[in-house]
Amino acid sequence: GENVEQHPSTLSVQEGDSAVIKCTYSDSASNYFPWYKQELGKGPQLIIDIRSNVGEKKDQRIAVTLNKTAKHFSLHITETQPEDSAVYFCADSVANSNSGYALNFGKGTSLLVTP
Amino acid sequence: DGGITQSPKYLFRKEGQNVTLSCEQNLNHDAMYWYRQDPGQGLRLIYYSQIVNDFQKGDIAEGYSVSREKKESFPLTVTSAQKNPTAFYLCASSFGQGVVVAFFGQGTRLTVV
Repeated sequence: GENVEQHPSTLSVQEGDSAVIKCTYSDSASNYFPWYKQELGKGPQLIIDIRSNVGEKKDQRIAVTLNKTAKHFSLHITETQPEDSAVYFCADSVANSNSGYALNFGKGTSLLVTP
Repeated sequence: DGGITQSPKYLFRKEGQNVTLSCEQNLNHDAMYWYRQDPGQGLRLIYYSQIVNDFQKGDIAEGYSVSREKKESFPLTVTSAQKNPTAFYLCASSFGQGVVVAFFGQGTRLTVV
């Protein structure tokens, strides 16, 4: 699949601060951008997603922004809490690609929120 | 409860043996996927299936095989041809139409010794 670049690979913030994770995609046909949270030893859990016809979406302390021109999208977590500590993955999806509708994932960001 | 179930959670096999990982879903999803996760590598697509009796290779299909005889089930066989089979394997499913809102199982950690 096409590459999805994710940065940073690790991120440490103090409780209450904001955290931002950025991803860049390469295929201009990508039309769906989910974010997953994975806790140790568990499967990824969808936390928020955005479609290509929307520039921003917010759900309580979590928000995602999409810049189609620059081909990047970002996850914003405000008022971070220790339970936000996990690995976060971005992904994109291209309908009718060679991989059908499968998701292409970034390599993940390990977020640590310290009390 | 609706969901996607992978079993077993931990699996140990000797080198040279084939092993089959189970994935079952009761979400009435058409599409199912297998991903492999290695430290620092993200999730890489092994195989996917959009409908029953049909499946396609992903980015790293060599050494793996799948079947999709039932909508609810998508087992993955790790064959002896897979050169580095020790990894965390994740199964996912989605409705398969339009955007991929995929839900994951809890994973199977396979260790080959």
